Amino acid sequence: EAQVTQNPRYLITVTGKKLTVTCSQNMNHEYMSWYRQDPGLGLRQIYYSMNVEVTDKGDVPEGYKVSRKEKRNFPLILESPSPNQTSLYFCASSGTVVGGDNEQFFGPGTRLTVL
Amino acid sequence: KQEVTQIPAALSVPEGENLVLNCSFTDSAIYNLQWFRQDPGKGLTSLLLIQSSQREQTSGRLNASLDKSSGRSTLYIAASQPGDSATYLCAVETSGSRLTFGEGTQLTVNP
Repeated sequence: EAQVTQNPRYLITVTGKKLTVTCSQNMNHEYMSWYRQDPGLGLRQIYYSMNVEVTDKGDVPEGYKVSRKEKRNFPLILESPSPNQTSLYFCASSGTVVGGDNEQFFGPGTRLTVL
Repeated sequence: KQEVTQIPAALSVPEGENLVLNCSFTDSAIYNLQWFRQDPGKGLTSLLLIQSSQREQTSGRLNASLDKSSGRSTLYIAASQPGDSATYLCAVETSGSRLTFGEGTQLTVNP
C-alpha cells in the first residue's frame, strides 16, 4: 500500500530535550516536506526536500533541522524544543517526475506537546 | 508572497443540498491547486488536483474548477451527505513541493 508513515504519532516532552520525528514514504517520491498546523494559522511549511541531500527552508524553519540521506526518509529534528513548537506536524511527499504537477500525499500526523 | 484565502470559514447545510466552497490566491504563477479533506485530529486526504493548464477536475460528487488568471478556485459538492462533514483545505504549489494552504472551510452537513 502506497503511504507516508510518521513516528511517533503522539509525543510529550520537556523543553530542551532533543527529539526526532521520522517520516518515510514507499512511493519513490522525489519531493518531501514537513508542515506544522496550528489553530488560526493553518498549515505552514517548515522544510522541504527536492531529492537526496537537497533541502531548503519553508516559511517557518526556525528551531528545526532536517536531513535527506535516503530518498524514502525525511526526519524532522528539534535540537532544543520549546513550548511554542507544540503543534500538529505533518510529513508529505509527492512526485516521481520533476516539474511540480504532482499530487501531495500526507502522513497521519504527529501531535507534539513541549512542556 | 503567495496568500491563499478560503471563504466561508464555516458552513452548515442540510443533507442533500448542493454547495460551493471558495478558494482565492494572490499569485497566479502556480503549478497546480489541490483540494484536501481533513477530519478532526486526522491527516489530509487529497480530493482533487487541478494542474495549471486545466480548468476543472471531477471525482464522483465533487467538481473543482480553476481560473488561474483571476486567482480563484471552487469546490462544488453535489447532494451533500453527513459523511461529507469535515474541514476542506485548498493549497497551491508554486514550485517543487512549495505549498501554500488556506485556513480551510469547516463543513457540517446536518441529517
